[in-house]
Amino acid sequence: DSGVTQTPKHLITATGQRVTLRCSPRSGDLSVYWYQQSLDQGLQFLIQYYNGEERAKGNILERFSAQQFPDLHSELNLSSLELGDSALYFCASSVEGDSNQPQHFGDGTRLSIL
Amino acid sequence: AQKVTQAQTEISVVEKEDVTLDCVYETRDTTYYLFWYKQPPSGELVFLIRRNSFDEQNEISGRYSWNFQKSTSSFNFTITASQVVDSAVYFCALSEAGRDDKIIFGKGTRLHILP
Repeated sequence: DSGVTQTPKHLITATGQRVTLRCSPRSGDLSVYWYQQSLDQGLQFLIQYYNGEERAKGNILERFSAQQFPDLHSELNLSSLELGDSALYFCASSVEGDSNQPQHFGDGTRLSIL
Repeated sequence: AQKVTQAQTEISVVEKEDVTLDCVYETRDTTYYLFWYKQPPSGELVFLIRRNSFDEQNEISGRYSWNFQKSTSSFNFTITASQVVDSAVYFCALSEAGRDDKIIFGKGTRLHILP
C-alpha cells in the first residue's frame, strides 16, 4: 500500500462528458503528480502541484485541468471527453517538489469512454 | 530534449534464470536522476530505485541490481534468480534537475517469468 488514494477506481462515461478524478497524497507529502497511461503513448506526465501551486506541466491537453486544495488533495478534471482519452490515470505523491524525489503511486483510475 | 528508450518490449524467461532489462537515456543536462518502477499485473506503480548522475556506483538490493554507465547513457536493471512474482512491466524514467521538473518514462518492458 503506497498510501496514495485515488477515486474512483473505474469510470465509464460517454464522449463529450466531463469527469473529475480525485487523489489524496501520502500523509506528509506536499507534491502531487498526475500521469496518463495508455497503450500507444505509454506513461505520460501531465502536471505537478506542490503545496497548492502548479509546479510543472507536461503533455496535458487544454481540455484537462487540475488543482491541489489546501488539504493537499488534488483533482484532475477532464472535459469534452474523446475516445482517445480512455486510459489509466495515475496520481503520485512525493515529500517535496523536486522530480528527483521518489514518487509513490496510487492504484490509478481506469477511464473508459464509450 | 530528454528521452528514455527501453528497446525490449517483452521478455520471457524461465524461473530462476537471470534477466537484464535495458534502459538507454538521452539528456543534455549534467545533473539528472534515473529511476526504475515496477508495475505488477495488479496495476499499481511501485518505486524501485533512484540514482543521480554523479553516482555511478552500481547498486544491489537482494536479487535486484542496477548498472549505471554514463559513458553509454545506460541504466540497466538485472534480476538474479528470477521468480514468478517478478512478472510485471518495468519502467525506466529520467528527470533533469532544474526549473522544468518533469519525469519522462520509457515505454516499459513487460517481463514474463515462466514457472
